Amino acid sequence: SQQGEEDPQALSIQEGENATMNCSYKTSINNLQWYRQNSGRGLVHLILIRSNEREKHSGRLRVTLDTSKKSSSLLITASRAADTASYFCATDGWSGGTSYGKLTFGQGTILTVHP
Amino acid sequence: DADVTQTPRNRITKTGKRIMLECSQTKGHDRMYWYRQDPGLGLRLIYYSFDVKDINKGEISDGYSVSRQAQAKFSLSLESAIPNQTALYFCATSDSWTGGANVLTFGAGSRLTVL
Repeated sequence: SQQGEEDPQALSIQEGENATMNCSYKTSINNLQWYRQNSGRGLVHLILIRSNEREKHSGRLRVTLDTSKKSSSLLITASRAADTASYFCATDGWSGGTSYGKLTFGQGTILTVHP
Repeated sequence: DADVTQTPRNRITKTGKRIMLECSQTKGHDRMYWYRQDPGLGLRLIYYSFDVKDINKGEISDGYSVSRQAQAKFSLSLESAIPNQTALYFCATSDSWTGGANVLTFGAGSRLTVL
């Protein structure tokens, strides 16, 4: 079964607004990553947060991680039409001090930013 | 040239035909993966390989096989294609020597249609 569940499935906003996407997962993780996919293209890595981190920033992106709730959120501030894409969270599972070495992806959030 | 190259990019075939999707990379990464993407289901892992002699099944390996011909090449085969294998297939790579980060680099995808 899928590790990550993303919410909302689709998000439509105006340029300049902030976009928040949420991800929940089920098992212990080594890290959690967010990827972006433009329509039908390959995924591109955006940001990684390790299990011992609570918040991370990269440009207009802010990621939070709550391991007690097994959840993460991705905030895109001051969105632009070019941010229109699908966004996926992915977890790198962890057991007995060892990473599984493979990512499990959520179903994704489709973000549409209107000019 | 792209870091991760997939061929063919698009393929239409008939039920029962054997199909091979190929992936090559110039990243020098040791790990390679095949994922399948279906609308609304995110990405699901088919097979993965941590080095030339290491092949592992993912969550949906039935009906598929793989070959790791060299560190840079990882091919996916459908021995007898069926319509529910119609999907977008992605090859991805990662480097085990990144402090356990396991960040994936994706190819552009191979769209397969089975009639």
